[in-house]
Amino acid sequence: DVKVTQSSRYLVKRTGEKVFLECVQDMDHENMFWYRQDPGLGLRLIYFSYDVKMKEKGDIPEGYSVSREKKERFSLILESASTNQTSMYLCASRPLLGGGETQYFGPGTRLLVL
Amino acid sequence: AQSVSQHNHHVILSEAASLELGCNYSYGGTVNLFWYVQYPGQHLQLLLKYFSGDPLVKGIKGFEAEFIKSKFSFNLRKPSVQWSDTAEYFCAVSGSQGNLIFGKGTKLSVKP
Repeated sequence: DVKVTQSSRYLVKRTGEKVFLECVQDMDHENMFWYRQDPGLGLRLIYFSYDVKMKEKGDIPEGYSVSREKKERFSLILESASTNQTSMYLCASRPLLGGGETQYFGPGTRLLVL
Repeated sequence: AQSVSQHNHHVILSEAASLELGCNYSYGGTVNLFWYVQYPGQHLQLLLKYFSGDPLVKGIKGFEAEFIKSKFSFNLRKPSVQWSDTAEYFCAVSGSQGNLIFGKGTKLSVKP
């Protein structure tokens, strides 16, 4: 079974702090994704990566950056956390093959910025 | 840009009632379509997917969905819901970058 793990289930941070959210997958998937989930808005794509050291902006990249130094690990960074970044963050991975490939999701990190 | 619409924000049913959740997408070309489910406190997980072949797709836990290309629809159905189906359901379409474009989700509450 594919396993996608995220470093924390819950995080509480203060405005202005730098925040790191870590994601690790164990299936050698090329593609990894960070989404944000908010009530009534569904999931929105923040950043994604095709391969090590590669990154692409999604629909809502402002205020975020990412890092992919190893194939299995994809980090989301909030450079200076703000209250409007309070949300649930979901990481996902999938193989590089065609568009029908399933994305596998981690359990999510619920972030509260005070 | 592609988009996905889910028509119902919150659906409340009694056990044994039939379920149909609507999903429409905007793209007119070849599409790959998914339904994901998120049970309370759990991971988002795949219910079923369509990318070619029989437009009637069967998934886990008795769910099915029908792809109707002429209507740009991929509605989710289940003939008889159970209390354990209480969850949030998301329809999604594959984006051009291998990402998923999600609808806003439908919360299903099943009364015992």
